[in-house]
Amino acid sequence: SQTIHQWPATLVQPVGSPLSLECTVEGTSNPNLYWYRQAAGRGLQLLFYSVGIGQISSEVPQNLSASRPQDRQFILSSKKLLLSDSGFYLCAWTPPGLAGYEQYFGPGTRLTVT
Amino acid sequence: AQSVTQPDIHITVSEGASLELRCNYSYGATPYLFWYVQSPGQGLQLLLKYFSGDTLVQGIKGFEAEFKRSQSSFNLRKPSVHWSDAAEYFCAVGGGDYKLSFGAGTTVTVRA
Repeated sequence: SQTIHQWPATLVQPVGSPLSLECTVEGTSNPNLYWYRQAAGRGLQLLFYSVGIGQISSEVPQNLSASRPQDRQFILSSKKLLLSDSGFYLCAWTPPGLAGYEQYFGPGTRLTVT
Repeated sequence: AQSVTQPDIHITVSEGASLELRCNYSYGATPYLFWYVQSPGQGLQLLLKYFSGDTLVQGIKGFEAEFKRSQSSFNLRKPSVHWSDAAEYFCAVGGGDYKLSFGAGTTVTVRA
């Protein structure tokens, strides 16, 4: 069966520091991968998605970037964090080729920028 | 582009009572529709999905949803709510472009 992991689970970082969040999927090949942010009291905002290694689509221009160095690994990064980057970050995957089909979510990373 | 509206931000229901959460979508073709549930501090769990066929869809945890094309709706229901159903619920629509659009969510509080 497939499993999705995110780490770290929680993170407290000062303004201006770098960020690296990691997402890994097990039990499948060539998944579509997604990064979402959920701010307090708000819904899900799609940040990036990837349909293959090195293929990244950005949905919202911002202080963040994403990379997919391996088939089942998706990384969210920032060079300098802003206070507004605080939130709950969720990674999700779908099986390859099933555009629009259900997404399966990881447990999330709670980021607090101080 | 597709979009979803969940008109109710917060619903309070008594344990054992029925629950209905509203979802309206906007999409030009036949949509893929989903309901997810999120407990505090957790990821989202898929409750049920509609792709085609029978418009009444059964999901996990005793939930069901009905697709009504004429009303552009996909409302979620549960006949008898348990205290463990207290959570946030998200409706989502997909249209074949690798992306889902989520509603703002409805928070459900269950009172004893």
